Amino acid sequence: RKEVEQDPGPFNVPEGATVAFNCTYSNSASQSFFWYRQDCRKEPKLLMSVYSSGNEDGRFTAQLNRASQYISLLIRDSKLSDSATYLCVDQAGTALIFGKGTTLSVSS
Amino acid sequence: DAGITQSPRHKVTETGTPVTLRCHQTENHRYMYWYRQDPGHGLRLIHYSYGVKDTDKGEVSDGYSVSRSKTEDFLLTLESATSSQTSVYFCAISGLGQGDGYTFGSGTRLTVV
Repeated sequence: RKEVEQDPGPFNVPEGATVAFNCTYSNSASQSFFWYRQDCRKEPKLLMSVYSSGNEDGRFTAQLNRASQYISLLIRDSKLSDSATYLCVDQAGTALIFGKGTTLSVSS
Repeated sequence: DAGITQSPRHKVTETGTPVTLRCHQTENHRYMYWYRQDPGHGLRLIHYSYGVKDTDKGEVSDGYSVSRSKTEDFLLTLESATSSQTSVYFCAISGLGQGDGYTFGSGTRLTVV
């Protein structure tokens, strides 16, 4: 059974902090990975794709380590608005396999 | 944002009754999906569709059926609702590219009493 494992947290950090989330995936043949963000009682929204070479979008950096089968998300200079649950996702074939999410709470 | 809507947004139903949830898209995407989200389990795939009349089962398909008679509509039916089907149901659509990810609807909160 294909799985994605994440530390559920919660991660409680002050504004301005740098925080990193990791997740591991079980399917060594997987090719595409994503990070989604989900606010309380809302639908998940695509935050960023994860590329083998690593990619950055503003304060967010995603990296993929295929040898160890883990994916990371780094958030720099945390904002209050970053408080949410972050879902690690493996595109295994046609469907997406979701981790259970890591909760981030940023406080002032 | 992609045009995807779910209806109803909220529903309370009694055990043993049939329930149909609707997902409608205006993006002409080929792939459509139904997920359920429960505390401690995350998002789990129920059924998906890769074209009109083409559907397949996901991880938690027991007790659910789907239909897709038009590209824009994907229906999820609980034949005889049970309390274990109380959940938040999300529909999603995806484009053709491997790296496109999904766009989700706003969800349907279903309570079976």
